[in-house]
Amino acid sequence: QKEVEQNSGPLSVPEGAIASLNCTYSDRGSQSFFWYRQYSGKSPELIMSIYSNGDKEDGRFTAQLNKASQYVSLLIRDSQPSDSATYLCAWGGFKTIFGAGTRLFVKA
Amino acid sequence: DADVTQTPRNRITKTGKRIMLECSQTKGHDRMYWYRQDPGLGLRLIYYSFDVKDINKGEISDGYSVSRQAQAKFSLSLESAIPNQTALYFCATSTLGNEQFFGPGTRLTVL
Repeated sequence: QKEVEQNSGPLSVPEGAIASLNCTYSDRGSQSFFWYRQYSGKSPELIMSIYSNGDKEDGRFTAQLNKASQYVSLLIRDSQPSDSATYLCAWGGFKTIFGAGTRLFVKA
Repeated sequence: DADVTQTPRNRITKTGKRIMLECSQTKGHDRMYWYRQDPGLGLRLIYYSFDVKDINKGEISDGYSVSRQAQAKFSLSLESAIPNQTALYFCATSTLGNEQFFGPGTRLTVL
């Protein structure tokens, strides 16, 4: 079983819609969770970190963590074409484990 | 601006050649990492270092070595490059909370 599982996509949503990205992880001891955005040919960029159960909001982004279900998600409200990228889920202990990423396309 | 830089940005080399990829950072972080990224496989950790005297193997360290010359510098070497080491290589630093900051990447092609 992979340590971090993500649907590779592509996930396609219309402009203005909510994009929902999901991730499951295998280590029940994980304490730190992250979402990174990676544009094609560019390096990953941290967009959200979450450490406790529940929701964390930052602008149009909301991260949701459920440690009992070993599940973390990212919601992007009012999706824009500029949000089209690959989104990497990661959890961090003394080193960070990344998922393979979900490709998101936002159609204008 | 505080930043993570990598040199070279692109490199084409031949099988058997020794290659060094360099990384420098001005973020003041103690923790530094080398990853490789292959299509469909995500980021895989090659080596990581929590300070100048600390070097640790990641999940795919075979065929690679590293040197931490200073807090700000972390180099990755391929002693004898082979074609399956063709990939995109990223250097990163992190805070104590494990938030990672990536360099722009080096695209390496081994012929």
